[in-house]
Amino acid sequence: KNQVEQSPQSLIILEGKNCTLQCNYTVSPFSNLRWYKQDTGRGPVSLTIMTFSENTKSNGRYTATLDADTKQSSLHITASQLSDSASYICVVSAPYGGSQGNLIFGKGTKLSVKP
Amino acid sequence: KAGVTQTPRYLIKTRGQQVTLSCSPISGHRSVSWYQQTPGQGLQFLFEYFSETQRNKGNFPGRFSGRQFSNSRSEMNVSTLELGDSALYLCASSVDRGMTYEQYFGPGTRLTVT
Repeated sequence: KNQVEQSPQSLIILEGKNCTLQCNYTVSPFSNLRWYKQDTGRGPVSLTIMTFSENTKSNGRYTATLDADTKQSSLHITASQLSDSASYICVVSAPYGGSQGNLIFGKGTKLSVKP
Repeated sequence: KAGVTQTPRYLIKTRGQQVTLSCSPISGHRSVSWYQQTPGQGLQFLFEYFSETQRNKGNFPGRFSGRQFSNSRSEMNVSTLELGDSALYLCASSVDRGMTYEQYFGPGTRLTVT
């Protein structure tokens, strides 16, 4: 079964600090990997999308990396702000997702940024 | 361009009732997917519609159904509600089906079953 595992489940950091969130996946074949940010009670918003041939992609203070060989991805947040408090969800696209759909979702990392 | 809209935003129902949720995709988007999100479970895929046809279905009981209209708007229906159906229901639209197209999520409908 295709799976996406994220760590840590939750994280508390101080405003201005950096942090890195991890994502490991077993999805195969793999098409692309996405990171979403979801504020409480809202729908997820896309941060980055990477194909298997891309190693890194940035979106402002967010930088995602991908190692397709080890099936690992990370999301690095630089100089965190209070507004970064949210859940970050790693999503892997599978061409033949079947009953899981084409997008396989991790359970997310809940980030809290404290002043 | 207007984003994905979902109505209603909040809903309270009692066990045994049925409910219909609505999703209006971004103009020009033909694919609509529905997800259930519960604490600790993450997003779970319900079904995907493309050009009025259900293309893919998740592992949910037959009480969960959906449809898509010719204008790409979609509805999902849950019959005989159970307490465990309490969740945030999200729909997402994309230009076309296929893995490279970005999905845009709506704000969700928060369903509470009492």
